[in-house]
Amino acid sequence: EAGVAQSPRYKIIEKRQSVAFWCNPISGHATLYWYQQILGQGPKLLIQFQNNGVVDDSQLPKDRFSAERLKGVDSTLKIQPAKLEDSAVYLCASSRGGWIEAFFGQGTRLTVV
Amino acid sequence: QQQVKQSPQSLIVQKGGISIINCAYENTAFDYFPWYQQFPGKGPALLIAIRPDVSEKKEGRFTISFNKSAKQFSLHIMDSQPGDSATYFCAASIWGYQLTFGKGTKLSVIP
Repeated sequence: EAGVAQSPRYKIIEKRQSVAFWCNPISGHATLYWYQQILGQGPKLLIQFQNNGVVDDSQLPKDRFSAERLKGVDSTLKIQPAKLEDSAVYLCASSRGGWIEAFFGQGTRLTVV
Repeated sequence: QQQVKQSPQSLIVQKGGISIINCAYENTAFDYFPWYQQFPGKGPALLIAIRPDVSEKKEGRFTISFNKSAKQFSLHIMDSQPGDSATYFCAASIWGYQLTFGKGTKLSVIP
């Protein structure tokens, strides 16, 4: 089966600009996650969707980050305005749900200058 | 945010040796403990996982040991190979949701 697709792979923006990332999960996977992985650290969950509803967004900086999952399939994560500390790899993952294995995409490496 | 503490931060092992990575958790509600392997430029990939009702799980050269009373679990890589060189993350979750990762261990297996 095809894996989790993310785009773009790399993005460089200036601080205060906006940026959007796109994720296409594995077909049939109801659960979709966005993680932020800062260099040298483990991934940190930003938001989790179950179909098109939000399950957990407690660690999403809602003043600048937003995410949506239209029709329970593709998802976009937006940052507006970006800060230097947002430089990280943004990983999207999907699973059938619950204990079932979550599959990760290759991520989008964001550099804010 | 519930924590998962992972050690060591980095590990160098000779080819054929045993690599051991340890993790400790706080939340007794965690009921799923996966280990992920990540190569540079790639997303994490599930390596092996365990539920708290068993004390050990083995898959090939990889073994998870789980100590519920101590709230600790560890990954053992037997006969370590250069191809195992990667960053390993332990994680914990409740019902598979809200996966919380450790900070990672960079493993280098030298010939």
